[in-house]
Amino acid sequence: KQEVTQIPAALSVPEGENLVLNCSFTDSAIYNLQWFRQDPGKGLTSLLLIQSSQREQTSGRLNASLDKSSGRSTLYIAASQPGDSATYLCAVEGTDKLIFGTGTRLQVFP
Amino acid sequence: KAGVTQTPRYLIKTRGQQVTLSCSPISGHRSVSWYQQTPGQGLQFLFEYFSETQRNKGNFPGRFSGRQFSNSRSEMNVSTLELGDSALYLCASSLKTGKSQYFGPGTRLTVT
Repeated sequence: KQEVTQIPAALSVPEGENLVLNCSFTDSAIYNLQWFRQDPGKGLTSLLLIQSSQREQTSGRLNASLDKSSGRSTLYIAASQPGDSATYLCAVEGTDKLIFGTGTRLQVFP
Repeated sequence: KAGVTQTPRYLIKTRGQQVTLSCSPISGHRSVSWYQQTPGQGLQFLFEYFSETQRNKGNFPGRFSGRQFSNSRSEMNVSTLELGDSALYLCASSLKTGKSQYFGPGTRLTVT
């Protein structure tokens, strides 16, 4: 049974810092791994999707890496801004469904 | 291109009642998945539909059901509501399995 864990559960940093959010999963048989952002009371916004054959994806200040063999992914946020404050979720897609981690709640203060 | 839409956005029901939630996927997307999000359990997969067929189902009781129409719109139904069914219900659409999923804003269900 696939289990997805995210560390840390919460993070509070000053504006401008570079951040690393971690995601680990137990079953390496995945199609892809996706990072999402969720603002309070809202739906999810897809940030990056990494196919199982890829090692990383970049979008603006965001970079996500995937190491399937070790069951790990990291989301790197460069030069954090207060607008980055949200909960970040990783999810792995296997043969049948998307399994989500519990999320990292990020607060970036001015 | 319009995003995923869900109706209603908020709903208050009483224990024992039933409820139907609706999801309209992004145009051209044939896969629709439903998720339940609660503070205690996080995001949990309910089921996925593709071309009107249920492809996958999560570990939820039979009170939770769904369907998909020929235009890819999907509905989920919860019968005999319980207090524990209070949650944010999210719908996501994608072109097919393995492609990015795009989420709607969710329906906030409160059971009293």
